[in-house]
Amino acid sequence: GESVGLHLPTLSVQEGDNSIINCAYSNSASDYFIWYKQESGKGPQFIIDIRSNMDKRQGQRVTVLLNKTVKHLSLQIAATQPGDSAVYFCAEISTFGNEKLTFGTGTRLTIIP
Amino acid sequence: DTGVSQDPRHKITKRGQNVTFRCDPISEHNRLYWYRQTLGQGPEFLTYFQNEAQLEKSRLLSDRFSAERPKGSFSTLEIQRTEQGDSAMYLCASSLASTTGTGELFFGEGSRLTVL
Repeated sequence: GESVGLHLPTLSVQEGDNSIINCAYSNSASDYFIWYKQESGKGPQFIIDIRSNMDKRQGQRVTVLLNKTVKHLSLQIAATQPGDSAVYFCAEISTFGNEKLTFGTGTRLTIIP
Repeated sequence: DTGVSQDPRHKITKRGQNVTFRCDPISEHNRLYWYRQTLGQGPEFLTYFQNEAQLEKSRLLSDRFSAERPKGSFSTLEIQRTEQGDSAMYLCASSLASTTGTGELFFGEGSRLTVL
């Protein structure tokens, strides 16, 4: 079946270092990908998105890379801060298909002071 | 606050009771989604509405679950005869869909259900 999965369930990074969170997806019809950040007790918060006609998109301290050949997505966070500690989910959607967002399990990122 | 709001934030109930959650989306958004999230897992799709029409329901949504969006604005999710397995966070999200596809989903803070 369709799935979105993450390679690592947990990641610990020293404050100030860069972090990379990876994600694999299986639905080749997916054309829109989103990274969400979820802090404890809160709803998912949009970080950055990318459409399938792009392979890279940058935001403030974050970069998303999309490799459609191997169906791989990554989120790079530069100069990590304690406030970056959270669970990060990748999600995918086929915007002209079933139009429902499918989430992976998530990666817990811990920033070590 | 102009974001997605959900009520109540927490609900504790006894098995067999009915519960209802309410979601108020961002006012101009025409799409409204319900998701369920259990501990350590990503949100799972339950159902979504475009305006007042319920367009899709997941197989996760048993006949004890019903969702409505009567006027195309707020939505309710009712769970009848709750079971312990219903304990989860119920998330609502809204988006503005157009001819170019669905837009960014904005999530509420969720309603946490505990069934004793």
